[in-house]
Amino acid sequence: QQQVKQSPQSLIVQKGGISIINCAYENTAFDYFPWYQQFPGKGPALLIAIRPDVSEKKEGRFTISFNKSAKQFSLHIMDSQPGDSATYFCAASIGGFKTIFGAGTRLFVKA
Amino acid sequence: GAVVSQHPSWVICKSGTSVKIECRSLDFQATTMFWYRQFPKQSLMLMATSNEGSKATYEQGVEKDKFLINHASLTLSTLTVTSAHPEDSSFYICSAIGQGAYEQYFGPGTRLTVT
Repeated sequence: QQQVKQSPQSLIVQKGGISIINCAYENTAFDYFPWYQQFPGKGPALLIAIRPDVSEKKEGRFTISFNKSAKQFSLHIMDSQPGDSATYFCAASIGGFKTIFGAGTRLFVKA
Repeated sequence: GAVVSQHPSWVICKSGTSVKIECRSLDFQATTMFWYRQFPKQSLMLMATSNEGSKATYEQGVEKDKFLINHASLTLSTLTVTSAHPEDSSFYICSAIGQGAYEQYFGPGTRLTVT
């Protein structure tokens, strides 16, 4: 019940394309759903986050879509760039605590 | 944005010795700090949660006597790996959260190698 399932494990996208990463959770007590970007040898960086009372949030090229009834949320990266090549983690927490991370998606954007 | 630093960024130590890693919130007061461990090509696993001035709460399976955590102030938490063994070699990352906030900000991580 504490798991956050993330897919795909890896993703290759052409430059300018849309990258889509999906996550699903079970625990309905989760109330905060962030996405993190991590480059090799670095700590994760908060990319964008959403609360369950909102179905979509957009910041620049990054959009989170949230489906509360299905207990799923996804990250869309529009106009993907080679610099976006990194590992992306979805996560879920209760009030910012007890954060559970997905397994991660390694994104490679081909130039 | 909120900045969290870690020191050292990498450390090599001999088996049986202890290593201390510092985590600092540079531009905000961190009422709570978290310590994570990450193995190569794997996700982050929460090790413990620490609140300023109180004992840390460890996740199931994490040895509290081996991974000593001290949260001495609103800007500093330390993780000491005692009697380190090669299997403790990993990437250790801290994060911090401000009072009433949901956003966790992560440090750059510390690569520990035990020989």
